[in-house]
Amino acid sequence: DARVTQTPRHKVTEMGQEVTMRCQPILGHNTVFWYRQTMMQGLELLAYFRNRAPLDDSGMPKDRFSAEMPDATLATLKIQPSEPRDSAVYFCASGLVQLPQHFGDGTRLSIL
Amino acid sequence: SQQGEEDPQALSIQEGENATMNCSYKTSINNLQWYRQNSGRGLVHLILIRSNEREKHSGRLRVTLDTSKKSSSLLITASRAADTASYFCALEGKSSGDKLTFGTGTRLAVRP
Repeated sequence: DARVTQTPRHKVTEMGQEVTMRCQPILGHNTVFWYRQTMMQGLELLAYFRNRAPLDDSGMPKDRFSAEMPDATLATLKIQPSEPRDSAVYFCASGLVQLPQHFGDGTRLSIL
Repeated sequence: SQQGEEDPQALSIQEGENATMNCSYKTSINNLQWYRQNSGRGLVHLILIRSNEREKHSGRLRVTLDTSKKSSSLLITASRAADTASYFCALEGKSSGDKLTFGTGTRLAVRP
Protein backbone atom coordinates (compact mmCIF):
# COMPACT_ATOMS: atom_id res chain seq x y z
CA ASP A 1 0.00 0.00 0.00
CA ALA A 2 1.58 3.30 -1.12
CA ARG A 3 2.16 5.79 1.69
CA VAL A 4 3.47 9.27 2.25
CA THR A 5 6.59 9.03 4.40
CA GLN A 6 7.66 11.82 6.72
CA THR A 7 10.89 12.08 8.68
CA PRO A 8 11.64 12.58 11.45
CA ARG A 9 8.50 11.55 13.31
CA HIS A 10 9.54 13.53 16.35
CA LYS A 11 11.93 16.43 16.79
CA VAL A 12 12.85 18.29 19.95
CA THR A 13 15.29 21.16 19.65
CA GLU A 14 16.17 24.48 21.20
CA MET A 15 14.99 27.85 20.05
CA GLY A 16 17.14 29.31 17.32
CA GLN A 17 18.13 25.98 15.79
CA GLU A 18 17.43 25.06 12.19
CA VAL A 19 14.80 22.38 11.67
CA THR A 20 14.40 20.38 8.46
CA MET A 21 11.42 18.12 7.87
CA ARG A 22 11.29 15.75 4.92
CA CYS A 23 8.50 14.16 2.97
CA GLN A 24 8.48 11.43 0.36
CA PRO A 25 5.21 11.72 -1.59
CA ILE A 26 3.47 8.77 -3.17
CA LEU A 27 5.08 7.88 -6.50
CA GLY A 28 3.10 9.41 -9.34
CA HIS A 29 1.43 12.09 -7.26
CA ASN A 30 2.13 15.53 -8.72
CA THR A 31 0.81 17.73 -5.91
CA VAL A 32 2.40 18.05 -2.48
CA PHE A 33 0.98 19.98 0.46
CA TRP A 34 2.50 21.05 3.78
CA TYR A 35 0.13 21.59 6.74
CA ARG A 36 0.60 22.56 10.35
CA GLN A 37 -1.76 21.32 13.07
CA THR A 38 -2.13 22.90 16.50
CA MET A 39 -4.85 22.74 19.11
CA MET A 40 -5.52 26.46 18.80
CA GLN A 41 -5.47 26.90 15.01
CA GLY A 42 -6.41 23.45 13.79
CA LEU A 43 -5.04 22.34 10.43
CA GLU A 44 -3.50 25.15 8.38
CA LEU A 45 -2.11 24.95 4.87
CA LEU A 46 1.42 26.33 4.74
CA ALA A 47 2.41 25.69 1.12
CA TYR A 48 1.79 23.46 -1.84
CA PHE A 49 3.55 22.39 -5.02
CA ARG A 50 2.44 21.00 -8.35
CA ASN A 51 4.97 19.22 -10.53
CA ARG A 52 7.62 20.50 -8.09
CA ALA A 53 6.75 24.16 -8.71
CA PRO A 54 5.48 26.19 -5.73
CA LEU A 55 1.89 27.28 -6.30
CA ASP A 56 1.03 28.90 -3.02
CA ASP A 57 3.02 29.59 0.11
CA SER A 58 0.84 32.35 1.48
CA GLY A 59 0.22 30.42 4.68
CA MET A 60 3.88 30.29 5.56
CA PRO A 61 5.86 32.86 7.60
CA LYS A 62 8.31 33.88 4.90
CA ASP A 63 11.01 35.22 7.17
CA ARG A 64 11.79 31.87 8.77
CA PHE A 65 10.07 29.13 6.80
CA SER A 66 11.04 27.76 3.41
CA ALA A 67 9.67 24.86 1.38
CA GLU A 68 11.28 23.16 -1.59
CA MET A 69 11.02 20.11 -3.81
CA PRO A 70 14.54 19.22 -4.92
CA ASP A 71 13.12 16.35 -6.92
CA ALA A 72 9.84 14.51 -7.42
CA THR A 73 10.55 12.11 -4.54
CA LEU A 74 11.45 14.65 -1.87
CA ALA A 75 9.80 17.72 -0.36
CA THR A 76 11.42 19.66 2.47
CA LEU A 77 10.16 22.21 4.97
CA LYS A 78 12.78 24.23 6.83
CA ILE A 79 12.49 26.56 9.77
CA GLN A 80 15.41 28.84 10.53
CA PRO A 81 15.60 30.12 13.19
CA SER A 82 12.99 28.10 15.07
CA GLU A 83 10.84 29.61 17.81
CA PRO A 84 8.70 28.03 20.56
CA ARG A 85 5.52 29.12 18.73
CA ASP A 86 6.54 26.81 15.85
CA SER A 87 5.83 23.81 18.07
CA ALA A 88 3.15 21.79 16.26
CA VAL A 89 2.59 18.69 14.18
CA TYR A 90 3.60 19.22 10.57
CA PHE A 91 1.92 17.08 7.93
CA CYS A 92 2.79 16.45 4.35
CA ALA A 93 0.14 15.23 1.93
CA SER A 94 0.30 14.27 -1.72
CA GLY A 95 -2.27 13.76 -4.40
CA LEU A 96 -3.45 14.32 -7.93
CA VAL A 97 -5.54 17.25 -9.13
CA GLN A 98 -9.10 17.19 -7.78
CA LEU A 99 -8.59 13.86 -6.06
CA PRO A 100 -8.33 13.15 -2.32
CA GLN A 101 -5.11 13.91 -0.51
CA HIS A 102 -2.99 11.24 1.16
CA PHE A 103 -1.37 12.28 4.42
CA GLY A 104 1.80 11.17 6.12
CA ASP A 105 1.82 10.56 9.86
CA GLY A 106 3.44 13.91 10.56
CA THR A 107 6.47 15.33 12.32
CA ARG A 108 5.79 16.31 15.92
CA LEU A 109 8.01 19.33 16.54
CA SER A 110 8.80 20.76 19.96
CA ILE A 111 10.88 23.93 20.22
CA LEU A 112 12.18 24.56 23.73
CA SER B 1 -13.76 32.54 6.32
CA GLN B 2 -13.74 29.44 4.13
CA GLN B 3 -13.19 27.18 7.10
CA GLY B 4 -15.89 24.66 7.85
CA GLU B 5 -17.41 24.75 11.29
CA GLU B 6 -18.16 21.35 12.72
CA ASP B 7 -20.78 20.41 15.21
CA PRO B 8 -20.62 18.92 17.76
CA GLN B 9 -17.02 19.46 18.86
CA ALA B 10 -17.14 16.18 20.75
CA LEU B 11 -19.46 13.20 20.72
CA SER B 12 -19.55 10.12 22.93
CA ILE B 13 -21.76 7.18 22.02
CA GLN B 14 -22.18 3.49 22.78
CA GLU B 15 -20.97 0.87 20.33
CA GLY B 16 -23.74 0.01 17.91
CA GLU B 17 -25.30 3.46 17.96
CA ASN B 18 -25.20 5.86 15.03
CA ALA B 19 -23.03 8.98 15.03
CA THR B 20 -23.90 12.14 13.14
CA MET B 21 -21.50 15.03 12.57
CA ASN B 22 -22.32 18.26 10.82
CA CYS B 23 -20.26 20.75 8.87
CA SER B 24 -21.37 24.25 7.92
CA TYR B 25 -19.49 26.60 5.63
CA LYS B 26 -19.82 30.01 3.99
CA THR B 27 -18.18 29.84 0.58
CA SER B 28 -19.09 28.25 -2.76
CA ILE B 29 -17.49 24.86 -3.20
CA ASN B 30 -16.42 22.41 -5.87
CA ASN B 31 -16.56 19.53 -3.43
CA LEU B 32 -16.57 18.68 0.24
CA GLN B 33 -14.52 15.88 1.72
CA TRP B 34 -14.51 14.04 5.03
CA TYR B 35 -11.34 12.80 6.68
CA ARG B 36 -10.66 10.75 9.81
CA GLN B 37 -7.67 11.20 12.10
CA ASN B 38 -6.69 8.63 14.67
CA SER B 39 -4.61 9.80 17.60
CA GLY B 40 -0.99 10.41 16.60
CA ARG B 41 -1.61 9.66 12.93
CA GLY B 42 -2.23 11.54 9.71
CA LEU B 43 -5.61 12.20 8.17
CA VAL B 44 -7.26 9.49 6.13
CA HIS B 45 -9.71 10.31 3.36
CA LEU B 46 -13.19 8.85 3.83
CA ILE B 47 -15.49 10.24 1.19
CA LEU B 48 -15.77 13.07 -1.35
CA ILE B 49 -19.07 14.62 -2.41
CA ARG B 50 -19.25 17.04 -5.32
CA SER B 51 -21.33 20.19 -5.29
CA ASN B 52 -23.87 18.68 -7.70
CA GLU B 53 -24.39 15.60 -5.53
CA ARG B 54 -26.76 15.37 -2.59
CA GLU B 55 -25.87 12.07 -0.97
CA LYS B 56 -23.11 9.45 -1.09
CA HIS B 57 -22.59 6.16 0.67
CA SER B 58 -19.48 4.16 1.47
CA GLY B 59 -19.93 1.11 3.65
CA ARG B 60 -21.29 2.34 6.99
CA LEU B 61 -20.77 5.98 6.03
CA ARG B 62 -23.43 8.24 4.59
CA VAL B 63 -22.70 11.82 3.60
CA THR B 64 -25.25 14.43 2.63
CA LEU B 65 -24.68 17.85 1.12
CA ASP B 66 -27.12 20.76 1.01
CA THR B 67 -25.53 23.56 -0.97
CA SER B 68 -28.50 25.87 -0.41
CA LYS B 69 -27.92 25.66 3.34
CA LYS B 70 -24.14 25.33 2.92
CA SER B 71 -24.04 22.31 5.16
CA SER B 72 -23.03 18.67 5.12
CA SER B 73 -23.46 15.78 7.49
CA LEU B 74 -21.54 12.56 8.04
CA LEU B 75 -23.46 9.62 9.46
CA ILE B 76 -21.64 6.56 10.77
CA THR B 77 -24.06 3.70 11.31
CA ALA B 78 -23.61 0.82 13.76
CA SER B 79 -20.53 2.41 15.27
CA ARG B 80 -17.60 0.38 16.53
CA ALA B 81 -14.90 1.15 19.09
CA ALA B 82 -12.45 1.37 16.16
CA ASP B 83 -14.39 4.38 14.84
CA THR B 84 -13.05 6.42 17.78
CA ALA B 85 -11.16 9.28 16.09
CA SER B 86 -11.46 12.91 15.06
CA TYR B 87 -13.45 13.63 11.94
CA PHE B 88 -12.86 16.66 9.73
CA CYS B 89 -14.71 18.17 6.85
CA ALA B 90 -12.59 19.81 4.16
CA LEU B 91 -13.78 22.27 1.55
CA GLU B 92 -12.45 22.72 -1.94
CA GLY B 93 -13.62 26.23 -2.74
CA LYS B 94 -14.58 27.30 -6.26
CA SER B 95 -11.87 29.95 -6.26
CA SER B 96 -9.19 28.09 -4.35
CA GLY B 97 -7.87 25.71 -6.96
CA ASP B 98 -7.48 22.33 -5.34
CA LYS B 99 -6.51 23.69 -1.93
CA LEU B 100 -8.54 22.30 0.92
CA THR B 101 -9.68 24.25 3.97
CA PHE B 102 -10.25 21.97 6.93
CA GLY B 103 -12.91 22.35 9.57
CA THR B 104 -12.36 22.34 13.30
CA GLY B 105 -13.15 18.65 13.70
CA THR B 106 -15.45 16.47 15.78
CA ARG B 107 -13.88 14.15 18.36
CA LEU B 108 -15.85 10.92 18.39
CA ALA B 109 -15.53 8.42 21.23
CA VAL B 110 -17.27 5.07 20.83
CA ARG B 111 -17.60 3.18 24.10
CA PRO B 112 -17.39 -0.62 23.93
